[in-house]
Amino acid sequence: GNSVTQMEGPVTLSEEAFLTINCTYTATGYPSLFWYVQYPGEGLQLLLKATKADDKGSNKGFEATYRKETTSFHLEKGSVQVSDSAVYFCALRGGSNYKLTFGKGTLLTVNP
Amino acid sequence: GAVVSQHPSRVICKSGTSVKIECRSLDFQATTMFWYRQFPKKSLMLMATSNEGSKATYEQGVEKDKFLINHASLTLSTLTVTSAHPEDSSFYICSTPGLAGAGSYNEQFFGPGTRLTVL
Repeated sequence: GNSVTQMEGPVTLSEEAFLTINCTYTATGYPSLFWYVQYPGEGLQLLLKATKADDKGSNKGFEATYRKETTSFHLEKGSVQVSDSAVYFCALRGGSNYKLTFGKGTLLTVNP
Repeated sequence: GAVVSQHPSRVICKSGTSVKIECRSLDFQATTMFWYRQFPKKSLMLMATSNEGSKATYEQGVEKDKFLINHASLTLSTLTVTSAHPEDSSFYICSTPGLAGAGSYNEQFFGPGTRLTVL
């Protein structure tokens, strides 16, 4: 079955530091890959996505590249801000199936 | 983006009672709603899919008689935890696809979640 493994947190960084949150997956076929973000007290929001190999998703300074050869979709940001503090979830949707499989989430705290 | 609300945001109840959680799509009609459960430090687990006007589809291992789902209108789906026990304590989240009725489901819009604590 499908599964997603992401870096366990919590991750604590200083403002303007470089961020990487690792995510690897196991899936049959050609899944679509997503990063969702959950700010305190709010629902999950789509941060970025990639639907095929070598695609790069990007949004709000965050980037992730769909690497089929390493089955990875690592999230990166060159310079984090305090407002980026949130829980980040890596997820996949396999083929035409609408179901999302989530990683366990990584709590990021950015200090000023 | 679409807005999904949940009510209540948190609820504490006694063991043996039933609790109803409401999920509403505020600015569009949602023919499909997904219900997830999230344990501490665990990923979200899909419990069931509700479709307006028809019976919900439950994931393997989820007791349909315990977690009653109703999707009577295009803007409201409810999850009722019946005869709740402490092991049902969890964070329950609903979501709906951005394109109601479409096949792509490229994005899901999530509610803020409901924290259930059963004493």
